[in-house]
Amino acid sequence: NAGVTQTPKFRVLKTGQSMTLLCAQDMNHEYMYWYRQDPGMGLRLIHYSVGEGTTAKGEVPDGYNVSRLKKQNFLLGLESAAPSQTSVYFCASRPTGGGASETQYFGPGTRLLVL
Amino acid sequence: SQQGEEDPQALSIQEGENATMNCSYKTSINNLQWYRQNSGRGLVHLILIRSNEREKHSGRLRVTLDTSKKSSSLLITASRAADTASYFCATGSPIQGAQKLVFGQGTRLTINP
Repeated sequence: NAGVTQTPKFRVLKTGQSMTLLCAQDMNHEYMYWYRQDPGMGLRLIHYSVGEGTTAKGEVPDGYNVSRLKKQNFLLGLESAAPSQTSVYFCASRPTGGGASETQYFGPGTRLLVL
Repeated sequence: SQQGEEDPQALSIQEGENATMNCSYKTSINNLQWYRQNSGRGLVHLILIRSNEREKHSGRLRVTLDTSKKSSSLLITASRAADTASYFCATGSPIQGAQKLVFGQGTRLTINP
């Protein structure tokens, strides 16, 4: 199993440009999450999904949109990139249930630089 | 706002010594998790402790949880150079049928050979 994969690994955008970050998981997990990590900080939740066709806002959703058309994919979109969105973006997934199922599995991250 | 506050922000010790990191949080939780992040990589889950547990072990890791003080600690015994990484605590609580993790800012651990 590849686990959680993210594409691209690195991207440079100009202010106002748009792009989509792709997250894919092959573990048949129901829940998927998008986080951003800024220097010296922990991760902050942008959006999440509890299943195919569902999305919900997290802690810092402004400027981002998401879609979960297929269970295995979770897309994060930036419609009009701003320098404040320069960050490292992490996707995570987890199965339903409690106990050990509450562990989240993270992708390797996408580094985004907005000029 | 970030719920978990970690202390210290950076820790540098000699190989073989024990490393202790602390985490404090503000609201009620279902569980508290610790993750490791190597430089430039994603987060890797280390250990989960539920709100009704007080201590948990996994290999060289020992985690304690004091819900009355809203604090947790991670102890890494007999540290190795490969333990050099950032360590994050994350508090788990329910959010609309899912689980929300709120991360602290992390402790950067350096193990010197």
